[in-house]
Amino acid sequence: DQQVKQNSPSLSVQEGRISILNCDYTNSMFDYFLWYKKYPAEGPTFLISISSIKDKNEDGRFTVFLNKSAKHLSLHIVPSQPGDSAVYFCASLTVSGGGADGLTFGKGTHLIIQP
Amino acid sequence: EAGVAQSPRYKIIEKRQSVAFWCNPISGHATLYWYQQILGQGPKLLIQFQNNGVVDDSQLPKDRFSAERLKGVDSTLKIQPAKLEDSAVYLCASSLMGQGTDTQYFGPGTRLTVL
Repeated sequence: DQQVKQNSPSLSVQEGRISILNCDYTNSMFDYFLWYKKYPAEGPTFLISISSIKDKNEDGRFTVFLNKSAKHLSLHIVPSQPGDSAVYFCASLTVSGGGADGLTFGKGTHLIIQP
Repeated sequence: EAGVAQSPRYKIIEKRQSVAFWCNPISGHATLYWYQQILGQGPKLLIQFQNNGVVDDSQLPKDRFSAERLKGVDSTLKIQPAKLEDSAVYLCASSLMGQGTDTQYFGPGTRLTVL
């Protein structure tokens, strides 16, 4: 059972426009949600995160929105740039008392920024 | 600051053979993770170490997979014997203390092909 779902395998956006990547989750116990960016032949790199007690977090061109009632989060990139072309993974984690904090990832969305 | 190092980058073996992957985390990072990423999927946590102790290995197929981090620094993941379905990229990540809010930094991964 997939706890984190990214239903769009790919997304094409024109340079300069807004890119919106979506993610849904099923586990209400998640404490944090994160976005990772991955280029080919490289490991994922951390982009931005949000605590489950917040509804928005912003970092430069990147903003993540969390709607807990809908169990949905989205990543907005404004304006989109050619270097943003990559696979974006939505991930979540639950902070446990035992220290286990492995990430649960979605399948990823391949963002393509067109000139 | 040097990132997470992994070797080899690529490995091709036949089914029923054994294989080992090596990971050296970022200096000073107490927590180390191994993830498996099958083509078209997001990374899946296999095992998490805190120093040289196992915090979470609930998703590690223990009949064929083993991992160790004897001195609390670098780590080895072994598969014996390999199956066709083990073909994947094996990602190592590390974080400072593994406290949920610590960023996980990923290495470039080892791409395993089982024929």
